[in-house]
Amino acid sequence: GNSVTQMEGPVTLSEEAFLTINCTYTATGYPSLFWYVQYPGEGLQLLLKATKADDKGSNKGFEATYRKETTSFHLEKGSVQVSDSAVYFCALTDSNYQLIWGAGTKLIIKP
Amino acid sequence: EAGVAQSPRYKIIEKRQSVAFWCNPISGHATLYWYQQILGQGPKLLIQFQNNGVVDDSQLPKDRFSAERLKGVDSTLKIQPAKLEDSAVYLCASSLRLAEGGSSNIQYFGAGTRLSVL
Repeated sequence: GNSVTQMEGPVTLSEEAFLTINCTYTATGYPSLFWYVQYPGEGLQLLLKATKADDKGSNKGFEATYRKETTSFHLEKGSVQVSDSAVYFCALTDSNYQLIWGAGTKLIIKP
Repeated sequence: EAGVAQSPRYKIIEKRQSVAFWCNPISGHATLYWYQQILGQGPKLLIQFQNNGVVDDSQLPKDRFSAERLKGVDSTLKIQPAKLEDSAVYLCASSLRLAEGGSSNIQYFGAGTRLSVL
């Protein structure tokens, strides 16, 4: 069946460091891929998405590229800020348009 | 544009009691989802509505959980009776409609209801 695997957290970085959060998936067909972010005490927000191979989603300085050959959708940001501290979820949509979620990666940015 | 509204934000009950959560989706959104998110895990879909019809409730524990969306707008999720393992955040999400590609099936989430069962 469809599944999403994310790197385990927490990931702790200093401000202005480079961020990578790995995400790989298993799916039939060509799912859409998403990154959602959950700030403390808030609901999930869509951060970025990609709907086909080689698409690059970007938002707020974050980027992720849909890599079909490696079944990956790694999240990157060149210079993180304290305000980026949150839990990040990778997800895909299956053939029923339902979201299949990773377990989430907690990111902690220290000033 | 108003987002997905949920209430209450927090609820503490004792096991075997009943509880209900309310969700008002984004105006015009036909599809509504209820998720259960246990601490440290990704959300688990409980039920999905398209207008006032159920699309998928395969992961809803129907012996204790029920949900309705009578007029195709607001929705209520109920737990009766609650168990300790029901302690979680209950998330409601909505999307414009079920559709392939584009932005129509992007899900927008409410802030959730944090339930503690003692």
